[in-house]
Parts: sequence; structure tokens; C-alpha cells
Amino acid sequence: GNSVTQMEGPVTLSEEAFLTINCTYTATGYPSLFWYVQYPGEGLQLLLKATKADDKGSNKGFEATYRKETTSFHLEKGSVQVSDSAVYFCAPTTGNMLTFGGGTRLMVKP
Amino acid sequence: SQTIHQWPATLVQPVGSPLSLECTVEGTSNPNLYWYRQAAGRGLQLLFYSVGIGQISSEVPQNLSASRPQDRQFILSSKKLLLSDSGFYLCAWSYGLGDGEQFFGPGTRLTVL
Repeated sequence: GNSVTQMEGPVTLSEEAFLTINCTYTATGYPSLFWYVQYPGEGLQLLLKATKADDKGSNKGFEATYRKETTSFHLEKGSVQVSDSAVYFCAPTTGNMLTFGGGTRLMVKP
Repeated sequence: SQTIHQWPATLVQPVGSPLSLECTVEGTSNPNLYWYRQAAGRGLQLLFYSVGIGQISSEVPQNLSASRPQDRQFILSSKKLLLSDSGFYLCAWSYGLGDGEQFFGPGTRLTVL
């Protein structure tokens, strides 16, 4: 089955700092890859996705590139804001099933 | 557009009491439906998923059960709650033949005392 490894956190950054959250996965077949974000007390929202190798997903200044050769999908943002404070989940999927990493808590300080 | 609802939003129940959490989806037909649990500060654990009415797959053996009495309704139940059942319960749906993206509800915060 699939598995995901992502940095545990918390990751604490100052506003306008550069963000990288690493994600590597193992999967059977050819998964689609997702990053979800969870704000405090809320459900998960899709942040971005990529469905084939070398695709770059992007949204709200966040980016991640599907790297099949390294089985990675690292999340990056050039300049974080306080409002980006949340928990971020990396998730590959095959078929109808998502496999979630443990989540990485990001705290951005003014 | 599609929407997903969960209720109640919060629930406090005594140990040994029954549980019923409801999830409904609007604006789509024949969705796949999922129940997840998230313990405090932890990741998501898939509990049940369903690809059709009356079809339930259980991922983790426990004192919870799920039912799908209608196409867009998914219910999570327990006859007797345990302290360890406390957590944040999330319902999600996906297209039957999509790219795997799941759409999540707002969640139910359950506290068992």
C-alpha cells in the first residue's frame, strides 16, 4: 500500500520567510498527489494537486512539483503570511483512496 | 455546485452512550463517501468508505460502524462510546471516477467524558 513521510514540525517562520515542507511517498501504480491544508477547528481543504510526473500544482502562492524519480512532492512558498498558519497534509492517491501523512504544523509569526 | 454537510458540529457524550453522526452531500450523484477520525494533534485515520448504497468497507476494527441508507447520506454510529473515541470526525466525498481528490466536510468535534 501507499505510505507518506513528511516533516513533523512544528515549523516556525517569520512573516515573509521562504517555506519548504518536504514530502516523500511510496505508492503502487501511478498516484495523483495532493496537498491539503487544515486551519484550526476546520475540515481539510485542497491546496493543490498534480496528476502526472513533472506537473506543478500551484495555488495561493504555494507550489509543488510531482517528482516521480525521487517520489517527492515538496511544498514551497516564497513568502509566507501569518494567515498561512495551519496544518499541511501531503497525500498520494491511487484509485479512490488517499493516504495521508501525519501533517506538518506551520506557525508564522509577525 | 457540490456541498457536504456534517452534524452536529460539536458533541459531548458520556462513556457508554450511543453515537450517531450524519453526513450528507448535495449536488452530485453516486459519490464515494469516507469517514475519518483525527485525534488531537495527529493525522487522519480512515475509518470507513463506501462506493454505493449499503456498501461499506471498514479499515480499522473498533466499536464504530457506518451505514449508507441513501446515495448521499453516510452515518457513523456506535452503540457504546469509549473515552478513546474522542476526536475530530471528518466526512469526505469523491467522484466515483475522478482523480482521487476528496472533498471534506467541516467536521464534528466529539468529546467523550
